[in-house]
Amino acid sequence: EAGVTQFPSHSVIEKGQTVTLRCDPISGHDNLYWYRRVMGKEIKFLLHFVKESKQDESGMPNNRFLAERTGGTYSTLKVQPAELEDSGVYFCASSQENRVWGYTFGSGTRLTVV
Amino acid sequence: AQTVTQSQPEMSVQEAETVTLSCTYDTSENNYYLFWYKQPPSRQMILVIRQEAYKQQNATENRFSVNFQKAAKSFSLKISDSQLGDTAMYFCALRGSTLGRLYFGRGTQLTVWP
Repeated sequence: EAGVTQFPSHSVIEKGQTVTLRCDPISGHDNLYWYRRVMGKEIKFLLHFVKESKQDESGMPNNRFLAERTGGTYSTLKVQPAELEDSGVYFCASSQENRVWGYTFGSGTRLTVV
Repeated sequence: AQTVTQSQPEMSVQEAETVTLSCTYDTSENNYYLFWYKQPPSRQMILVIRQEAYKQQNATENRFSVNFQKAAKSFSLKISDSQLGDTAMYFCALRGSTLGRLYFGRGTQLTVWP
């Protein structure tokens, strides 16, 4: 079974630019989560999709962040316009419906805003 | 509110020795789940071990075991016979019984040296 795939693995952009991160979950996984880790801090929840619907987006920091999950398959997280404090590693994870245990995580996208 | 605290930013241990990583948490829920994740330099987050709060028996996975003290809200990870491949960032995480999101600590960077 293929794992959770994230693109790109690294991105360096200038402040004010737009960046789109993509996550391909494991096929059949209805639940998709986005998390972010700012250097030296804890990993923080951003939002949770169940299929194409946003179940919980309470962790989204502000309206510069927009997440979508078209057709309940892959998801994108767009940051527009990017600010310096958006730098960090963005993780995606997916899990099957009703599975309490564990997610499978992707390897993350390291975003650097300069 | 749910919080996870890892008070050891860095730890080191010699190969074949035993090391214990600390984690404390706070939650108002009666049923919850606790996890230790490992993030090696490849950045792939890997589940190490998990514990259901209603189970009194401490979880064990090969060389990894936990000391779960529910009253003290403590969930430490013991790694026996440490190996060079155990070098990684270790995150303690908490999940409630309702929402699917995880709450993470700041992580402990473990270095195993020869």
